Amino acid sequence: QVQLQQSGPGLVKPSQTLSLTCVISGDSVSTNSAAWNWIRQSPSRGLEWLGRTYYNSKWYNDYAASVKGRITINPDTSKNQFSLQLNSVTAEDTAVYYCARGWLRTHFDLWGRGTLVTVSS
Amino acid sequence: QSALTQPASVSGSPGQSITISCTGSSSDVGTYNYVSWYQQHPGKAPKVMIYEVSNRPSGVSNRFSGSKSGSTASLTISGLQAEDEGDYYCSSYTSSGTVVFGTGTKVTVL
Repeated sequence: QVQLQQSGPGLVKPSQTLSLTCVISGDSVSTNSAAWNWIRQSPSRGLEWLGRTYYNSKWYNDYAASVKGRITINPDTSKNQFSLQLNSVTAEDTAVYYCARGWLRTHFDLWGRGTLVTVSS
Repeated sequence: QSALTQPASVSGSPGQSITISCTGSSSDVGTYNYVSWYQQHPGKAPKVMIYEVSNRPSGVSNRFSGSKSGSTASLTISGLQAEDEGDYYCSSYTSSGTVVFGTGTKVTVL
């Protein structure tokens, strides 16, 4: 059974870096055609796709325009996981963050449980 | 990339059918058949109900169906049941190679 297990701090100070990790069990971060995504949800912004990493002969990343320049998503093949780093956070970045498996261009079929991250001093 | 537009709420009585619309543009819904629909219950992660406009994942009830016309996709729930109550979101692949979600619709079973 494929599962995604998220971890990371629930509180981050303004201007600092938000870091989350998603461990994959039952699948591989290097699986062809699969993309490993970060998605967040807040009352003000709804569901917002942040970006993804995927392997297709080499590693690729795609990021949402709204966070480009502040975001990095990295795969870690040795630990079969992927991570999210979001720099220079503000209160606007307060949200529930989900990791999710997606299929290129199409749907997200597997989600982590979500991590509430609050940006506050 | 602006969020896809959905009605804020839709309601129906048990046994009835309801339809949720999802309006995008030629940069997303209008061009690509990569529209998905997700159901979300309070405190839970979203669950895919429809993918690629009209395909149902294994295990999803055939009471759920999807369609598309132009830049508007639709999700129909027939034979509405109490367990269908929740929030529903559409999503689409975009010409920028990214993904955009809809604004979300709260479904209430009366």
